[in-house]
Amino acid sequence: DGGITQSPKYLFRKEGQNVTLSCEQNLNHDAMYWYRQDPGQGLRLIYYSQIVNDFQKGDIAEGYSVSREKKESFPLTVTSAQKNPTAFYLCASSGDRFGGDQPQHFGDGTRLSIL
Amino acid sequence: AQSVTQLDSQVPVFEEAPVELRCNYSSSVSVYLFWYVQYPNQGLQLLLKYLSGSTLVKGINGFEAEFNKSQTSFHLRKPSVHISDTAEYFCAVSDNGGSQGNLIFGKGTKLSVKP
Repeated sequence: DGGITQSPKYLFRKEGQNVTLSCEQNLNHDAMYWYRQDPGQGLRLIYYSQIVNDFQKGDIAEGYSVSREKKESFPLTVTSAQKNPTAFYLCASSGDRFGGDQPQHFGDGTRLSIL
Repeated sequence: AQSVTQLDSQVPVFEEAPVELRCNYSSSVSVYLFWYVQYPNQGLQLLLKYLSGSTLVKGINGFEAEFNKSQTSFHLRKPSVHISDTAEYFCAVSDNGGSQGNLIFGKGTKLSVKP
């Protein structure tokens, strides 16, 4: 079955440490997204990529970095500059980078906590 | 810029009762609208979408939504809820009039179905 796989499901970060969240999709989708979810805040866009080797900052990109070297992969690094990283992180993809009519498909998320 | 307002953060309801979850959006251009559902510790699943045509949209699990352009609303309804409908529901609108795949999400409504 096609879908989006996020790993790990739970992740703990020590002070001053960078951590990387994995997101892989086998839907052959062009566009991929990273969201941060905090209780009562909905989903806030961190970064998005419409095509391989290209990505754009979302609303809350500070303290995060991404890469898009392969169509199926869009890893997110939470750097030590992100002072409040505790949150639920969701990765999504959609089929057409120009298509706002395309629904986004979501992974099951990674819950990041500070040790 | 577009925005989405979900008017109720929590909606408690008894099993087999009808429910309406409210969503209003602000946009000066045509939009695409979506409702997603999130069960605890999972990603989001698409319930339904409005792209064009009939203003009454039917989705999965017996949900439906009505697009009202004059009131800029897209309320979600179900005539008879089940315990299994307990979840958080998110309304979303396409960003930039749908010229690209980004979505703007509301802050969510937690539906709690009681026996």
